Amino acid sequence: GQSLEQPSEVTAVEGAIVQINCTYQTSGFYGLSWYQQHDGGAPTFLSYNALDGLEETGRFSSFLSRSDSYGYLLLQELQMKDSASYFCAVSPSGGSYIPTFGRGTSLIVHP
Amino acid sequence: NAGVTQTPKFRVLKTGQSMTLLCAQDMNHEYMYWYRQDPGMGLRLIHYSVGEGTTAKGEVPDGYNVSRLKKQNFLLGLESAAPSQTSVYFCASRSPPGGNIQYFGAGTRLSVL
Repeated sequence: GQSLEQPSEVTAVEGAIVQINCTYQTSGFYGLSWYQQHDGGAPTFLSYNALDGLEETGRFSSFLSRSDSYGYLLLQELQMKDSASYFCAVSPSGGSYIPTFGRGTSLIVHP
Repeated sequence: NAGVTQTPKFRVLKTGQSMTLLCAQDMNHEYMYWYRQDPGMGLRLIHYSVGEGTTAKGEVPDGYNVSRLKKQNFLLGLESAAPSQTSVYFCASRSPPGGNIQYFGAGTRLSVL
């Protein structure tokens, strides 16, 4: 099976950089995904790491290290609209694509 | 370009009542999923489908049934609602095999009194 650990809450100020960590225990997986969810909204896809290293998409970057069973989401130039919950998810290898989600990190951005 | 559409958006039930949540996707995706989301619990998989006519149990299937008679629709049924089923329900579909993006509907907020 799979299990993922994320901090429950992170706070930062507008314009700053914040890193949200995700550690996992899994027997094997294709990659690590990140989703954003605003209050009352649906989760939306942010990024995916199939290989070790950094993936950059505008202000957001995601990193994966399989040897350390660890990944993170990096948000730069924080804006108030970035206040949301962020979920990491692993896509298990073999068979059907049944992802497992972490419990989510609530990011609060202060002015 | 609707994506994934869930109906209804809100519902209040009395204990013991039944209802069906409908999920429709127009992206020709094979895989569809039903999740429930409770405070502090993240997304928990109820049931999923890997194609028309197929369904399988997820992490928390008790008290729910599903059907996938048409590729574009995935129905979630509650035969006898219980207060423990008060939650927000999300449907999702996945891009073709090898794809890694799940597309979520806007959610159904269900209260069981």
